[in-house]
Amino acid sequence: DQQVKQNSPSLSVQEGRISILNCDYTNSMFDYFLWYKKYPAEGPTFLISISSIKDKNEDGRFTVFLNKSAKHLSLHIVPSQPGDSAVYFCAASVYRGNEKLTFGTGTRLTIIP
Amino acid sequence: DADVTQTPRNRITKTGKRIMLECSQTKGHDRMYWYRQDPGLGLRLIYYSFDVKDINKGEISDGYSVSRQAQAKFSLSLESAIPNQTALYFCATSDPFDSGNTIYFGEGSWLTVV
Repeated sequence: DQQVKQNSPSLSVQEGRISILNCDYTNSMFDYFLWYKKYPAEGPTFLISISSIKDKNEDGRFTVFLNKSAKHLSLHIVPSQPGDSAVYFCAASVYRGNEKLTFGTGTRLTIIP
Repeated sequence: DADVTQTPRNRITKTGKRIMLECSQTKGHDRMYWYRQDPGLGLRLIYYSFDVKDINKGEISDGYSVSRQAQAKFSLSLESAIPNQTALYFCATSDPFDSGNTIYFGEGSWLTVV
C-alpha cells in the first residue's frame, strides 16, 4: 500500500523552463512534507519542506505547494538548470519532529540543455 | 569526509550467507535509520533507532536485524541473504531539534545477492 505516490517516473524539461514534479498521498495523518534530491552514487539530500499549516514554501528557485484537500503537493523549479537533473523523492511524516519518513517512488528529472 | 559513512559500498554475496552493513556518523545525532531503495518502490524503512537503547522495526524488517553499538554506530545484518534482498541500502541520521526536520543520508551500499 503506497501511501506516498509519484506517478511520473520520469520528466524531461528544457533548460530555463519550469519543472513541475507532483506527489500524492493517501494518509490524512501526514502533517509534514519534504522533497529530497538524489544524484547517482550519492545519498538523497534534503531540498525543501512544508508544514500542513502552509500551502506554499519558497527557497530560491524551488517552491513547494501543498493542497491538503486534494492530498497533493508539487515541487516547482524555475528556471530549470542542468544541475537539477536528478531523482526527486517526495516524503511525508505524521508530524514535524518525527523523522520517520514515508517516501514516494521518485521522479527522474532530466534537464535538456 | 562524509558525515554518514557506510561500509562496504559494494558487496556481492551468495544466497544463505550472513552479511553486515556498517554505518558510522560524525554528526552527533541520536537517531539513526536503515532504508533500502528498489526501482519503482522508492525508499523503504527497515529499522530505526532513536537512541542507543532503542530499536524499532520499520515497514520491511523481516529478514533483517540491527545493532546500535554506540551513538555513532548502527549496523544492519542479513542473517541468511536471499536474492530479493538485492538493493541499494542507505543509513541515515537525524536530530529531532533540527529546525529542518530532515534526515541525512550516507552514500549508500550496493548489495547483490546471487
